[in-house]
Amino acid sequence: LAKTTQPISMDSYEGQEVNITCSHNNIATNDYITWYQQFPSQGPRFIIQGYKTKVTNEVASLFIPADRKSSTLSLPRVSLSDTAVYYCLVPSTDSWGKLQFGAGTQVVVTP
Amino acid sequence: DTGVSQNPRHKITKRGQNVTFRCDPISEHNRLYWYRQTLGQGPEFLTYFQNEAQLEKSRLLSDRFSAERPKGSFSTLEIQRTEQGDSAMYLCASSLGGTGEETQYFGPGTRLLVL
Repeated sequence: LAKTTQPISMDSYEGQEVNITCSHNNIATNDYITWYQQFPSQGPRFIIQGYKTKVTNEVASLFIPADRKSSTLSLPRVSLSDTAVYYCLVPSTDSWGKLQFGAGTQVVVTP
Repeated sequence: DTGVSQNPRHKITKRGQNVTFRCDPISEHNRLYWYRQTLGQGPEFLTYFQNEAQLEKSRLLSDRFSAERPKGSFSTLEIQRTEQGDSAMYLCASSLGGTGEETQYFGPGTRLLVL
């Protein structure tokens, strides 16, 4: 499994853009990069997944450089409800996509 | 709501008692997973089912833990002779059962407190 490293915490104000960078130096050729969001006392919620370049959905954007050794989750114009823990994962594609969670990044949005 | 459901949502028990949790995955999802999460940590993998077959178990899953998925639909996780260290959130997830990059969808979890 590709190990990921991401900041422990990030603070932001409402309306700002939040960018969380994750490093995954030993990512394999077929591996995807997946991000989950988790609120207190809830299960993780899938946000976005990508393989290369840029992926965008209604919640976030994911930027992946050509070497794929890192990726950046971008949350546009955050609100208080975006306060959560964000996990960067690289599920293994050689079996069944085992998820290995780290401690994640605690994002705190204040008014 | 057709998401993953878990019951009960909360469970308080005394040390030494047995507890059982249930997970109902998204219908048509062949894969089902159990994770455990303690405060301040990310979820840790416990076990995985492909249909009714339990294909992988973590070393975290001691002999006191057993999981079943008898008909390839819902699953149960039983903890026998609970210990205070078993206190955690137990999460269930399911996925369709295709390639490795497919998304796992999580339930709301069952929070266990062992007194």
